[in-house]
Amino acid sequence: SYVLTQPPSVSVAPGQTARVTCGGNNIGSETVHWYQQKPGQAPVLVVYDDTDRPSGIPERFSGSNSGNTATLTISRVEAGDEADYYCQVWDSGSDHPVVFGGGTKMTVL
Amino acid sequence: QVQLVQSGAEVREPGASVKVSCKVSGYTLTELSMHWVRQAPGKGLEFMGGFHPEDGEAIYAQNFQGRVTVTEDTSTDTTYMELRSLSSDDTAVYYCASSLCYTTSCPLDYWGQGTLVTVSS
Repeated sequence: SYVLTQPPSVSVAPGQTARVTCGGNNIGSETVHWYQQKPGQAPVLVVYDDTDRPSGIPERFSGSNSGNTATLTISRVEAGDEADYYCQVWDSGSDHPVVFGGGTKMTVL
Repeated sequence: QVQLVQSGAEVREPGASVKVSCKVSGYTLTELSMHWVRQAPGKGLEFMGGFHPEDGEAIYAQNFQGRVTVTEDTSTDTTYMELRSLSSDDTAVYYCASSLCYTTSCPLDYWGQGTLVTVSS
């Protein structure tokens, strides 16, 4: 089954740019989605189809996907962005049709 | 906008079964593909099963094959997830999630609030 690898944690100062990576074999040929999960809450979709933002998600959130790495970029980080972030792809036809990365805890210093 | 409201917390003994419900509003079940994801305490998200966006057939992660069943009642726009032969490792928050599109590149657009299932003797 397809494996997505994320760093366990990233730290960033307020106002700076955070980048959360998601590694996978030729992930650039897959469609990647990103979710934000704050403590005690359900996940929320923040980027879909590699680069698109759902309605209501700030423009500060953006995504890219190429080669073996997809990246979620959060510009002008705010304290409220502190959360766990998960990448996700479909691996249709496999024994794990929906795959999540292990998650990255983003800490705002 | 899709709203997903799940049933309340459950406590089960090892070996028992649990059935969690997820009521859809804002759309009908026939317009969505529904999925179930769980999260053990302090752990990441784990896909369990759902309905294939293209053909509507039930699909399951291998980890749960034979132990989980997902069903739908279109008359009440409610989807269900039943997990059998519970062990303490199944203690987790269980989420339903919906997709509004019909391909296997779909995101999980909306999520329920989660249902805590505790397995303990």
